[in-house]
Amino acid sequence: GQNIDQPTEMTATEGAIVQINCTYQTSGFNGLFWYQQHAGEAPTFLSYNVLDGLEEKGRFSSFLSRSKGYSYLLLKELQMKDSASYLCAAEALEGKLIFGQGTELSVKP
Amino acid sequence: SQTIHQWPATLVQPVGSPLSLECTVEGTSNPNLYWYRQAAGRGLQLLFYSVGIGQISSEVPQNLSASRPQDRQFILSSKKLLLSDSGFYLCAWSVLAGDWGSYEQYFGPGTRLTVT
Repeated sequence: GQNIDQPTEMTATEGAIVQINCTYQTSGFNGLFWYQQHAGEAPTFLSYNVLDGLEEKGRFSSFLSRSKGYSYLLLKELQMKDSASYLCAAEALEGKLIFGQGTELSVKP
Repeated sequence: SQTIHQWPATLVQPVGSPLSLECTVEGTSNPNLYWYRQAAGRGLQLLFYSVGIGQISSEVPQNLSASRPQDRQFILSSKKLLLSDSGFYLCAWSVLAGDWGSYEQYFGPGTRLTVT
């Protein structure tokens, strides 16, 4: 079967670091996406990991371990505007994305 | 650069009425196109995807259908809407990227459908 698991919600403090974990089990796995979605808006692309290891993009980094079926999104120097839902998605055959339920991140002052 | 358009942005339709949502992509050729639905407070569910003109694959059996009459146009339709069809409908496109045979995928702005 196909399954993507991520925590439902997380809370962190402004200026801190937060790590959002995602485990996946899919057939024909190509890569792992992370998207950010603010309430009422479409998801926006954050990162895409194909190879094992850490990819860094400014304050956001994403990690993938294919052998463990595991990824995480790391957000540094949190800002209030980072409050959003973070979606983990595994890419299956022909670019089809299998999404987790999303992690609702609340950043507190 | 590539852009993706969806319309309308919001729609309120009565139960039993027809539906047509349109998605167009600019700045790329032969993209893979996708329709997703997001019910309130839930994750995204893939409804249809297309790898070329006239080629549609359905992921979830339901009263919706999709068509791709042109390379960069993707249409989602229904003959009779149900209450359960309410949700946020997102079109996405992707093309082969990098050396690894994989796809980067980007979403349109979405259509919020309320069936009353």
